[in-house]
Amino acid sequence: GDSVTQMEGPVTLSEEAFLTINCTYTATGYPSLFWYVQYPGEGLQLLLKATKADDKGSNKGFEATYRKETTSFHLEKGSVQVSDSAVYFCALSGYQGAQKLVFGQGTRLTINP
Amino acid sequence: EPEVTQTPSHQVTQMGQEVILRCVPISNHLYFYWYRQILGQKVEFLVSFYNNEISEKSEIFDDQFSVERPDGSNFTLKIRSTKLEDSAMYFCATHLQGASYEQYFGPGTRLTVT
Repeated sequence: GDSVTQMEGPVTLSEEAFLTINCTYTATGYPSLFWYVQYPGEGLQLLLKATKADDKGSNKGFEATYRKETTSFHLEKGSVQVSDSAVYFCALSGYQGAQKLVFGQGTRLTINP
Repeated sequence: EPEVTQTPSHQVTQMGQEVILRCVPISNHLYFYWYRQILGQKVEFLVSFYNNEISEKSEIFDDQFSVERPDGSNFTLKIRSTKLEDSAMYFCATHLQGASYEQYFGPGTRLTVT
């Protein structure tokens, strides 16, 4: 079945550091790819998405590119802030109708001032 | 901005008891989902619901679980006889038909089974 693998956490960085969180997937067909973020005590919020190969999703300074050849969707940010501290989930879904999200295990990110 | 709401935010129940978790989807959304997240683990799909019927369910969603949309607005998840291992955060999610397949999540209900 479909699956998503994320880099192991937790990740701790200093403010203004460069961030990469790796995500690879296994899926049939052409899934859509997502990054969701979960701030402490809150639900999941969509951070960015890409629906086809070579698409780049971006939001709030975060970026991720849908790489079909490497089945990857790595999350990057050039300069992180303390407010970026959260748990980040990579996920995929099918491309039609009611399609469940398949999540990675999540990566806890802590940014120190 | 419209949002998905869930009640209660926290439910404590004894093993063997029935619980009903409630979700109010965004008003024009047509696809509904329940997910759960056991503490420290990944978010897992339970069930999807469309056009008043289940479209897909996971192996977790056994006979102890059921979903319904009793009044055309609320979307509920019922666990008939709770077990200790049902303790988790339960998230409702919804999306539009034929849209960008972005699922909007509620804030979750933390279920604690003692």
